[in-house]
Amino acid sequence: DAGVTQSPTHLIKTRGQQVTLRCSPKSGHDTVSWYQQALGQGPQFIFQYYEEEERQRGNFPDRFSGHQFPNYSSELNVNALWLGDSALYLCASSFGLAGETQYFGPGTRLLVL
Amino acid sequence: RKEVEQDPGPFNVPEGATVAFNCTYSNSASQSFFWYRQDCRKEPKLLMSVYSSGNEDGRFTAQLNRASQYISLLIRDSKLSDSATYLCVVNQAGTALIFGKGTTLSVSS
Repeated sequence: DAGVTQSPTHLIKTRGQQVTLRCSPKSGHDTVSWYQQALGQGPQFIFQYYEEEERQRGNFPDRFSGHQFPNYSSELNVNALWLGDSALYLCASSFGLAGETQYFGPGTRLLVL
Repeated sequence: RKEVEQDPGPFNVPEGATVAFNCTYSNSASQSFFWYRQDCRKEPKLLMSVYSSGNEDGRFTAQLNRASQYISLLIRDSKLSDSATYLCVVNQAGTALIFGKGTTLSVSS
């Protein structure tokens, strides 16, 4: 039973660049949520996708956008990168919009120079 | 006030010790409660859900007090392998998980 997978594992970008991170949910899950975890902090919710639509959004600027595909996989795009975007980006999957238990992927560690 | 607040830690304890983590949450509409464990540079993993009646899983016991908006985690007979960061998490049905900052536990021999 495949768990949540994310790619790439690590990424280095420079300020102003754009980045795309990818996530495949756990088998049987249809909802994907994205979180940003800065060093020494707990994960912070970015947004959630269900049925290919953004259903909820946290307190993140429009530079952060996403997409969900028919196979439930998802992408997170960040435009005009800032130094402060350096963080671990976590994808979590669950079943259904009201699914409480979320399972996390290993994350993508982004460094913005 | 932050939505989920935890003991700042770190907690440094010897093997075999009992350690307790506390957490408070601000949104009384929160419906689901969890403890996640996160190892260094790894993803958070669900340790246990927390129910009003209290629940136990081996050496781990979680308690919820809705009136006080307080959650706790008790670890008995600590093992070296329990060293990690413990994240208190709350959720309103179908919404985002709200994480505390985490409390770091270091168990030494």
